[in-house]
Amino acid sequence: EAQVTQNPRYLITVTGKKLTVTCSQNMNHEYMSWYRQDPGLGLRQIYYSMNVEVTDKGDVPEGYKVSRKEKRNFPLILESPSPNQTSLYFCASSPGLGGGGYEQYFGPGTRLTVT
Amino acid sequence: LAKTTQPISMDSYEGQEVNITCSHNNIATNDYITWYQQFPSQGPRFIIQGYKTKVTNEVASLFIPADRKSSTLSLPRVSLSDTAVYYCLVGDTGTASKLTFGTGTRLQVTL
Repeated sequence: EAQVTQNPRYLITVTGKKLTVTCSQNMNHEYMSWYRQDPGLGLRQIYYSMNVEVTDKGDVPEGYKVSRKEKRNFPLILESPSPNQTSLYFCASSPGLGGGGYEQYFGPGTRLTVT
Repeated sequence: LAKTTQPISMDSYEGQEVNITCSHNNIATNDYITWYQQFPSQGPRFIIQGYKTKVTNEVASLFIPADRKSSTLSLPRVSLSDTAVYYCLVGDTGTASKLTFGTGTRLQVTL
């Protein structure tokens, strides 16, 4: 089954404790990205990647890191989480270089709470 | 990067046709228009995509005028299960770029 998986689905952590949210897709897609969603603000893109070892900033990259060492995986790293990073996070993938021109497949989401 | 503007919310009764319009005044020649549906605490789901004129699938129609500066998602005979947030997104297939979804349109369907 074609899908995007994220882990963990729920995470409660404390300020400053490094964490990683994993994302994996099994569709051989080029474009992958991370979004955060907060009430009233819609979906905001954090980072995106168009291929292995190629990443770029989205609209809200501050406080986040990503890596793309394999085509299928695109982890999101919070080196020192802060309470303002409490949010619902989605990973997505799509075929081709231009993520906006193709159907994006979204993961189930990770709800992160930083206390 | 084409910015999109949508109404914040809309209300409808079950069985009615709903039209949600998205404005994208600076759409580029190679850009496509894609609509997504999102239920609470779930990832957005693809509904329909088009480049110009009209596209129809089993769940919706997409109308795009000749100047392509706007698009209208049409949902025929909505039901309670169509209550969701709807986003339009503009982007092309060949250029890797950041994507801006906007705040979407919250559709509330009631009996």
